[in-house]
Amino acid sequence: EPEVTQTPSHQVTQMGQEVILRCVPISNHLYFYWYRQILGQKVEFLVSFYNNEISEKSEIFDDQFSVERPDGSNFTLKIRSTKLEDSAMYFCATGQGASGELFFGEGSRLTVL
Amino acid sequence: AQTVTQSQPEMSVQEAETVTLSCTYDTSENNYYLFWYKQPPSRQMILVIRQEAYKQQNATENRFSVNFQKAAKSFSLKISDSQLGDTAMYFCAQTGANSKLTFGKGITLSVRP
Repeated sequence: EPEVTQTPSHQVTQMGQEVILRCVPISNHLYFYWYRQILGQKVEFLVSFYNNEISEKSEIFDDQFSVERPDGSNFTLKIRSTKLEDSAMYFCATGQGASGELFFGEGSRLTVL
Repeated sequence: AQTVTQSQPEMSVQEAETVTLSCTYDTSENNYYLFWYKQPPSRQMILVIRQEAYKQQNATENRFSVNFQKAAKSFSLKISDSQLGDTAMYFCAQTGANSKLTFGKGITLSVRP
């Protein structure tokens, strides 16, 4: 069964450092998303990406965040200068669109010290 | 804007018994999907069941079924014959036309042996 793959599974970084989280979507999916879940809290939408551009972003997704799909396969989330409050689980999700099901990766746990 | 409300923070059920998890939502869209996701301690997001809003028939997936009340904007999940492996966080979620998922706060379900 096809699946969404995320790397790394866990990353520890110092405050102020840049972090890149990677996602390999299911091959025929066209819609890509990043979600964030701070420990013990709800899953929050960060950004959606379609046709090589951001289609929607939340208030959380400020100038410190960026996404891209540089090589047509990997879908990346970059945090330029991490803050303590960026510590969370980051989920990549992909779908075929048309309000259908989203498939989630196993998540990347980011710990900012 | 879409909102999803899960008012019960946690529930407990005896193994082999039935439990119902509540969810209400709000949307201005006519076409949308509703989902229940399970998040075990591993923190992976696993789709349990989905309901298309235009379908009147309640979705069923083995021991999992929903009670979809469109007029009341209610979408509860019933778990029959509860198993220890059902212990997890359960999130109710909704998509709209852009496939963006909006999650509720989640409910922690504990299955007692």
